[in-house]
Amino acid sequence: SAVISQKPSRDICQRGTSLTIQCQVDSQVTMMFWYRQQPGQSLTLIATANQGSEATYESGFVIDKFPISRPNLTFSTLTVSNMSPEDSSIYLCSVGEGLLGNQPQHFGDGTRLSIL
Amino acid sequence: GQQLNQSPQSMFIQEGEDVSMNCTSSSIFNTWLWYKQDPGEGPVLLIALYKAGELTSNGRLTAQFGITRKDSFLNISASIPSDVGIYFCAGQGGGTSYGKLTFGQGTILTVHP
Repeated sequence: SAVISQKPSRDICQRGTSLTIQCQVDSQVTMMFWYRQQPGQSLTLIATANQGSEATYESGFVIDKFPISRPNLTFSTLTVSNMSPEDSSIYLCSVGEGLLGNQPQHFGDGTRLSIL
Repeated sequence: GQQLNQSPQSMFIQEGEDVSMNCTSSSIFNTWLWYKQDPGEGPVLLIALYKAGELTSNGRLTAQFGITRKDSFLNISASIPSDVGIYFCAGQGGGTSYGKLTFGQGTILTVHP
């Protein structure tokens, strides 16, 4: 399966600031996704990162708060904007391989974000 | 929206015991997946199930895709200390939900040597 690298692995940020998280894959993949895992909770899908077009956001998540880029088939970024303590979470990138992107998703190790 | 109910929330067992956990859904899924997450890491895929009724094994792990496509279980036989972690079920839909995963709440497994 693809090797997924996320940067940074963790960060501590001040409220009101923004942080961009990078997800790099070692091979071209059809689908890339961004998830949030709040402390002690399960994973919730934020959006599907579409190559060359705007991301598709899930209910409760908006582009102004979580802008996403996907310039090619191996790279995506998620920005957490105007952060507040409620944004303290693990943010995870996942990829779906195969021609249709329908192979089981594999995850990066996540970015652990704490907002003071 | 789709919701998955995963149980139990946590388990405390002795090394060598068998473990069983399950997930139920109010909606049908095309694929059921089981992941394990260790502290400081992302979820790692354990087993993928693609057809209703399918029973699949991966070493000491066995999982089944329910006939109704609304449930799945995961069994771990002869548990060992490295089985400790959080286990998540996830359902993957089709159509407009293609590729998207809905996760269960997780089962925290503790194994006492």
